[in-house]
Amino acid sequence: GQNIDQPTEMTATEGAIVQINCTYQTSGFNGLFWYQQHAGEAPTFLSYNVLDGLEEKGRFSSFLSRSKGYSYLLLKELQMKDSASYLCAVVDSNYQLIWGAGTKLIIKP
Amino acid sequence: TAGITQAPTSQILAAGRSMTLRCTQDMRHNAMYWYRQDLGLGLRLIHYSNTAGTTGKGEVPDGYSVSRANTDDFPLTLASAVPSQTSVYFCASSDSGQGGYTFGSGTRLTVV
Repeated sequence: GQNIDQPTEMTATEGAIVQINCTYQTSGFNGLFWYQQHAGEAPTFLSYNVLDGLEEKGRFSSFLSRSKGYSYLLLKELQMKDSASYLCAVVDSNYQLIWGAGTKLIIKP
Repeated sequence: TAGITQAPTSQILAAGRSMTLRCTQDMRHNAMYWYRQDLGLGLRLIHYSNTAGTTGKGEVPDGYSVSRANTDDFPLTLASAVPSQTSVYFCASSDSGQGGYTFGSGTRLTVV
């Protein structure tokens, strides 16, 4: 079967750095997405990785290792508004998105 | 503002009744999707449409039907609602299936 694993919940301090990991086992791979979802709102696009390596976009970076079936989302200089759920999703061989259950990130002052 | 519009925002529905959740996009995206999101389970695909006139079943299609008469609209119908269909429903679209998905604001449905 297809599986995406992420930690259920993480806590970090305002101003710090946090890394959210995602491991996947899917039938094929055509890219990996990270989305942010604030409580009661729709998911919004953060990043897309299809090649190995690090993609940096402001305070957020996303890393991919296809050989290890592994990705992480790195958030720097954490702000209170970063409190949200972070969803990892993999595009499989049929170009369907397989979603992880999400990681709820709690930021403390 | 361009994007996806879902209606209604929330609804309480008696079991056994039918209901159609509406979804309209103005981005001319070919692909559209319906997901349900339940606590601890993440997003699960109900039905999808790669282009107008075609639809396909996702991971959890039972009890739901869709149609795609044109590019912009992708309604989701519950023929006879059951309490297990209580969930938050998101409509999404993408321009190629490989690009980022744009989501609607969701419909919170409670079946009692």
